[in-house]
Amino acid sequence: QVQLQESGPGLVKPSETLSLTCTVSGGSISTYYWSWIRQPPGKGLEWIGYIYYSGSTNYSPSLNSRVTMSVHTSKNQFSLRLSSVTAADTAVYFCARGGTILGFDSWGQGTLVSVSS
Amino acid sequence: DIQMTQSPSSLSASLGDRVTITCRASQTIRNYLNWYQQKPGKAPKLLISGASSLQSGVPSSFSGSGSGTDFTLTISSLQPEDFATYYCQQSYSTPWTFGQGTTVEIK
Repeated sequence: QVQLQESGPGLVKPSETLSLTCTVSGGSISTYYWSWIRQPPGKGLEWIGYIYYSGSTNYSPSLNSRVTMSVHTSKNQFSLRLSSVTAADTAVYFCARGGTILGFDSWGQGTLVSVSS
Repeated sequence: DIQMTQSPSSLSASLGDRVTITCRASQTIRNYLNWYQQKPGKAPKLLISGASSLQSGVPSSFSGSGSGTDFTLTISSLQPEDFATYYCQQSYSTPWTFGQGTTVEIK
């Protein structure tokens, strides 16, 4: 059973860069798509983008100019960087396996990132 | 972007009730529709993919149907553990998008 765990700072200052890492255990990061999804407090789910184990990416157009994803196959990890954050980026950030027609079948527990000075 | 609209936004139901949640896409998505269940403070859980394929371990009381633009999630007999928020998600074209959610509450 694959497990995912997000890690990174819980507080980021406005205009700075949010950085999160997702560690995959119980399975290989290879041969799958891996996504980041976020959920502002009390609101719905927003897909941020995905990265394939080969490194190819697909980002949501609404965030494309600020998002960078990378994969580290030797560590079984993938990462998210979101630049120039504002209070609107405050959310629980989930990493998940998936990004194809089959949906997101495994999720991390989520990590709350607050943007505040 | 494909817009996903769920109805109702919330509903109250009793144990044993049959519950139906509707999801409508702003354009055809064939059968590329997934359903998730989310409980407070937890990550979403994939229930159904491809509009009607039940994930392993999901009770058979859950079922999904539809194609094109209109889809439904049905819970045939509501159990205590089913009180949660349900989201639909289209996987027809990126950006993948979710409905706004339907919260199922205890009457």
